[in-house]
Amino acid sequence: EPEVTQTPSHQVTQMGQEVILRCVPISNHLYFYWYRQILGQKVEFLVSFYNNEISEKSEIFDDQFSVERPDGSNFTLKIRSTKLEDSAMYFCASRTYFSVGADTQYFGPGTRLTVL
Amino acid sequence: QKEVEQNSGPLSVPEGAIASLNCTYSDRGSQSFFWYRQYSGKSPELIMFIYSNGDKEDGRFTAQLNKASQYVSLLIRDSQPSDSATYLCAVNNNNDMRFGAGTRLTVKP
Repeated sequence: EPEVTQTPSHQVTQMGQEVILRCVPISNHLYFYWYRQILGQKVEFLVSFYNNEISEKSEIFDDQFSVERPDGSNFTLKIRSTKLEDSAMYFCASRTYFSVGADTQYFGPGTRLTVL
Repeated sequence: QKEVEQNSGPLSVPEGAIASLNCTYSDRGSQSFFWYRQYSGKSPELIMFIYSNGDKEDGRFTAQLNKASQYVSLLIRDSQPSDSATYLCAVNNNNDMRFGAGTRLTVKP
């Protein structure tokens, strides 16, 4: 069964460094998402992406974040200058197309980001 | 502010009982509603989705939606110890999906 994959599974970085989290969505999916989950807290929506541009973004997704689909398979989240509070699990998700009744998102296994 | 509220639990039920999980949401424009299960340290796993008012059954799971009351619920019949997890309610409007904090369910053998 096709699945969303994410790399790395765990990333450790120093505060102020840039990180890039990578995702490979399910191959025929058209919509892509990033979420984060701080330990012990709820899953928070960051951004959705369709047709090579951002579709929606939350109040969390500020100028330090960016997303890109650099080729036909990868979807990346870049955090420009990491802060301690960026430490979280980051989930990528994808879905086929947008219509009510066919908008189920499938999640990758997550990347645990630790900022020291 | 788009809020999704769930009782955090823990909710404890004996094996074989019915577990009832509830969720309310604030965004009246929400179009689709999901229940995900999450084990500790793992990603959310889809249990069920519902779009129309009423009940939707899938095996041991029944989702209920009442848009007028902005309320979604999940019933798990014949609960098993393997159902022990955190259950996340998620509400989608266009391309913006918001999650509740989750209800931790424990099914005791």
